[in-house]
Amino acid sequence: EVQLVQSGAEVKKPGESLKISCKGSGYNSSSHWIGWVRQMPGKGLEWMGLIYPGDSDTRYSPSFQGQVTFSADKSIGTAYLQWSSLKASDTAMYYCARRAALTMVRGLIIFGTFDVWGQGTMVTVSS
Amino acid sequence: DVQMTQSPSSLSASLGDRVTITCRASQSISSHLNWYQQQPGKAPKLLIFAASTLQSGVSSRFSGSGSGTHFTLTISSLQPEDFATYYCQQSYITPLFTFGPGTKVEIK
Repeated sequence: EVQLVQSGAEVKKPGESLKISCKGSGYNSSSHWIGWVRQMPGKGLEWMGLIYPGDSDTRYSPSFQGQVTFSADKSIGTAYLQWSSLKASDTAMYYCARRAALTMVRGLIIFGTFDVWGQGTMVTVSS
Repeated sequence: DVQMTQSPSSLSASLGDRVTITCRASQSISSHLNWYQQQPGKAPKLLIFAASTLQSGVSSRFSGSGSGTHFTLTISSLQPEDFATYYCQQSYITPLFTFGPGTKVEIK
């Protein structure tokens, strides 16, 4: 079964650092981009960016550039999302998602579909 | 940046109703549009990609249409498990795969 399994919920204080994980299984985890998505309490989905575990190539949404860091360890099929200094406003559910393989539909190359999602990691930042 | 809007932001419907949700892009995105369903307390689930292609395993009561800037998601006959929030996502401008604000489908 293809799946992404994320690390468990975290409760941290402002200023602390944190690294959460997303482990892929059931597929070649080095050959699919992994996206990260934030969902603040009661709010919608926000796109954070992507990492390619095969070579750790990263692409950040401008809103999150400099605020978080993506990394990966291809030997264990795991992607990471980390903060060096958490803020209360980082309180949210964070999802990882696998970008599907490139496919052709009606003559279009489709490259931005996210077909497998992790269960989410809730991060709570509170003093 | 491509901005995505959805309407309505919420709707109330009864079991068996036909429901249509609209998504608009601020510029043409061809058919690079995905739809996701998020049930309460769960991760999003891919329903439709490339505007109208049903993801494997998804019920055929879901359908999508549109291209350019205007897209729709239709649920032909609402079932209990369909009460959820639905998000569109553009996949034209990489790597900024922007989501719409969501449409919450509630029970009337």
